Amino acid sequence: SQKIEQNSEALNIQEGKTATLTCNYTNYSPAYLQWYRQDPGRGPVFLLLIRENEKEKRKERLKVTFDTTLKQSLFHITASQPADSATYLCALFRSTASKLTFGTGTRLQVTL
Amino acid sequence: GAVVSQHPSWVICKSGTSVKIECRSLDFQATTMFWYRQFPKQSLMLMATSNEGSKATYEQGVEKDKFLINHASLTLSTLTVTSAHPEDSSFYICSARELGRQETQYFGPGTRLLVL
Repeated sequence: SQKIEQNSEALNIQEGKTATLTCNYTNYSPAYLQWYRQDPGRGPVFLLLIRENEKEKRKERLKVTFDTTLKQSLFHITASQPADSATYLCALFRSTASKLTFGTGTRLQVTL
Repeated sequence: GAVVSQHPSWVICKSGTSVKIECRSLDFQATTMFWYRQFPKQSLMLMATSNEGSKATYEQGVEKDKFLINHASLTLSTLTVTSAHPEDSSFYICSARELGRQETQYFGPGTRLLVL
C-alpha cells in the first residue's frame, strides 16, 4: 500500500540550532514533493516544492533535499527561531492522479 | 499572494441539521478546488475535487450525497454537510488551483465544525 511517513513524535530543539524533519514514502512515484507549515487551527501554508529530478532546493533559512532512490525528503530549518514552532507537512503529487497526498506531519517546537 | 478564504471559520450545529461552508479565491480564478478533512493529530485527507461547472469527483469512502459540493463559479465553491452527525465534527479545509498552474494549491484557513 502507499504510505507517506513523517515522524509523529514532536521534535524539540534549541533556538539557533538546525531542525531536520524527515518524510519517507513507499509505493509512490511522485512528480514532485512539497513542504507546508501548519499552525494550530489554521490551513497549511506552502513553503517549498522540489521536483523528482532535483536534489536540493533552498529558500532563505529553509532547505529541502529529495532522494528518489531512498524515497525520502529531508527538510531543514537553519538558525531556528521560536516562531518556527509549528507542524510541518510533506505532500506528494502524482501526475497520474493530479492530486496531493499529505503525510501526518511533524510538530516542531523551538525553545529559547 | 493568492488568498483563499473560508466562511464560517467555525460552526456549531445540532445533529441532523445541514451546514454549508464557503470557499472563495479572492484574487485569482480557481478552475479547480479541493476539499479536505482533518481530524486531530491526523493528516489532511482529500474528500473531493471539483472543477468549475462540473460535478465533483469524490475520493473513495466519501459519501457524495452527504457531502454536497458545488463549484458554480471560478471564485466560489461550497461544501454542504447534510444531516450532520457528531462523527462529522472535524476541521474542513479547502484549497484552490489556477488554470495552468498545476503545481500550486492555495489553502484556506479552515472551518471547524462541531456537531452536538
